Amino acid sequence: DSGVTQTPKHLITATGQRVTLRCSPRSGDLSVYWYQQSLDQGLQFLIQYYNGEERAKGNILERFSAQQFPDLHSELNLSSLELGDSALYFCASSVGPQPTEAFFGQGTRLTVV
Amino acid sequence: AQSVTQLGSHVSVSEGALVLLRCNYSSSVPPYLFWYVQYPNQGLQLLLKYTTGATLVKGINGFEAEFKKSETSFHLTKPSAHMSDAAEYFCAVTLAGAGGTSYGKLTFGQGTILTVHP
Repeated sequence: DSGVTQTPKHLITATGQRVTLRCSPRSGDLSVYWYQQSLDQGLQFLIQYYNGEERAKGNILERFSAQQFPDLHSELNLSSLELGDSALYFCASSVGPQPTEAFFGQGTRLTVV
Repeated sequence: AQSVTQLGSHVSVSEGALVLLRCNYSSSVPPYLFWYVQYPNQGLQLLLKYTTGATLVKGINGFEAEFKKSETSFHLTKPSAHMSDAAEYFCAVTLAGAGGTSYGKLTFGQGTILTVHP
């Protein structure tokens, strides 16, 4: 158990819908990272928050957004969903602003039908 | 900017044989390098990392890797494979230092699936 909790584990939704994925980092970790894993793209970095502030941005679509709350949990919002958004979404956390020891959650598997 | 290339999407070995998974990186500044393992339906688990200091790093489950700057490589090895090593392995890089937004992300290779035969 990495200590990073992601909910839900599985999500099935229709095209055009909006979903929210939730991540609770390990106790004491200030950074949260979001990754998307798909067969064709591999593991892609989406976005990082550090102590409530956006710190780094990767290949995140405009239809996607994230935030980190004062209690340090994070949410990833995916809207206007397309079939191609079906993937495993991972959250990771680390103590500091760099992922020198990042711990990953078990992921949320999103299926868009 | 940084990138990672893992040579071989699938590697198959016999139980007890040497495991060698290859990783080459590209980085504009000194890198931090990592190997992660992913078992089916699981998240990624950190096997080992190189940040500074000794270039030969040891990790969990008997794995080790050597940072070779001249070859821009960080290959993962294990002297004797075990059936429980069957999984997908990812090499990753991030930039050393504390500046800029590029320092906040891990860039992963495409992964290598390791199969261990009895």
